[in-house]
Amino acid sequence: DIQMTQSPSSLSASVGDTVTISCRASQNIARYLNWYQQRPGKAPKPLVYAASSLLDGVPSRFSGSGSGTDFTLTISDLQPEDFAIYYCQQAFSIPPITFGQGTRLEIK
Amino acid sequence: EVQVLESGGSLVQPGGSLRLSCGCTGSGFTFNAYAMTWVRQAPGKGLEWVSEISGNGGSTYYADSVKGRFTISRDNSKNTVYLQMDSLRAEDSATYYCARSSNNYGLHDWFDHWGQGTLVTVSS
Repeated sequence: DIQMTQSPSSLSASVGDTVTISCRASQNIARYLNWYQQRPGKAPKPLVYAASSLLDGVPSRFSGSGSGTDFTLTISDLQPEDFAIYYCQQAFSIPPITFGQGTRLEIK
Repeated sequence: EVQVLESGGSLVQPGGSLRLSCGCTGSGFTFNAYAMTWVRQAPGKGLEWVSEISGNGGSTYYADSVKGRFTISRDNSKNTVYLQMDSLRAEDSATYYCARSSNNYGLHDWFDHWGQGTLVTVSS
């Protein structure tokens, strides 16, 4: 199975800051890496697919990059609604599809 | 706008069974053109992929943790996917989300529309 490891597990930031969340795969997954945002009590929301493609309606302050085993999600000019938990997910092989453990982004 | 709606979650005793349903609708949306997946989330925990089924139902995939106990199926005439859960254990307690895949075969995809989830609690 492909293991996905996110870092950090949590981070604190202020409105207007820029933050970066990392996701590492245990083997090469090319660019088959997706990112989701989950706000408290809500279903996950897809943000980025294929490592760097933003889904329709996702603000341009979100960006994804990487390939192979190392990926990042960057959020610039943080807004209050961005404080949530973020998950990466590999789509290279099935079964199983695997998610990272999540990164909690909190307001400082 | 695509809408995904799960139902069927409840309290069940260990060893019991439950069937979850997930309806997926939207104008101009062809249900059998998309794979469907189930993802679960235990209270306070992360996301765990459970199972996926291709658009025509011909391919199914399961996490090792549920293989042999859960069965995914779909009825394309009813725009509905099901998750039959047997031999339930306490560790199966979670909110179960149904999500639409971005393609019809379930590989190299992402989950582009999610339901709000249905809660399954396994306890005596």
